[in-house]
Amino acid sequence: DGGITQSPKYLFRKEGQNVTLSCEQNLNHDAMYWYRQDPGQGLRLIYYSQIVNDFQKGDIAEGYSVSREKKESFPLTVTSAQKNPTAFYLCASTWGGGTEAFFGQGTRLTVV
Amino acid sequence: AQKVTQAQTEISVVEKEDVTLDCVYETRDTTYYLFWYKQPPSGELVFLIRRNSFDEQNEISGRYSWNFQKSTSSFNFTITASQVVDSAVYFCALSDLGAMDSNYQLIWGAGTKLIIKP
Repeated sequence: DGGITQSPKYLFRKEGQNVTLSCEQNLNHDAMYWYRQDPGQGLRLIYYSQIVNDFQKGDIAEGYSVSREKKESFPLTVTSAQKNPTAFYLCASTWGGGTEAFFGQGTRLTVV
Repeated sequence: AQKVTQAQTEISVVEKEDVTLDCVYETRDTTYYLFWYKQPPSGELVFLIRRNSFDEQNEISGRYSWNFQKSTSSFNFTITASQVVDSAVYFCALSDLGAMDSNYQLIWGAGTKLIIKP
C-alpha cells in the first residue's frame, strides 16, 4: 500500500546530541514537508522540498537540517543547536500546489 | 498574505448533537484550495476534504458536511449527530497553485479541539 512511513515512533535524545528522524514515501510525490507540533498547538513548518536536491526553510528552521537525495526520502536532523526539541514531528508529502497532503504517523521526540 | 483562522479553540458537545467548526481564510489569489483534516489522539492527520475556489457547492459525506462561501471567505465544517469517535482536533488549511511566494505551502489554521461527551 502506498503511504508515508516515519520512524521511529518514539525517540529520546540526550542534550547535546544530534538525532535523525526518518521519512519515506512511496506515493511518487514531488513535494515533502516537515512540521513540528507542540502540545495543544497547530502545525509549524520546519522545512520543505519541492524536488530532489532542493529544499527550503520554513518558519522554524533554526536548529534543524534536512536532505533530499532521493525522491522517496526526506530525513530531518534535529541538531544540538535546537534548544527545545521536545515535540511531535510530522512528515507529509503532496503532488504539488493545490493537492492534499498525506501524513506519516509522526515521531514523538523527547529530550532526557 | 495568506492566513487561516479557526477561532474556536475547543468545542465540547454531548453525543448526537450537531456541531459546526468555523474556518475563515485570507488570500490574494483567485485560484486556491481549502482542506479539512482530522487529527485523532493517535496523532496522524487524516485528510477529509479538498475544495477548489471555483466550486462553491456544499458537500455532504455521511454525517459530515462542508459549507464554502467565498463572499465571507469561510469554509465551515458541520458534523451531524456527533459521536464519541468524532473527538479529535480538526484543522483547516489553504493552498494556492504555487504562486511565486507560496512554494506549494499549506497554510494551516491553529485547529479546533472537538470533545464529544457520551
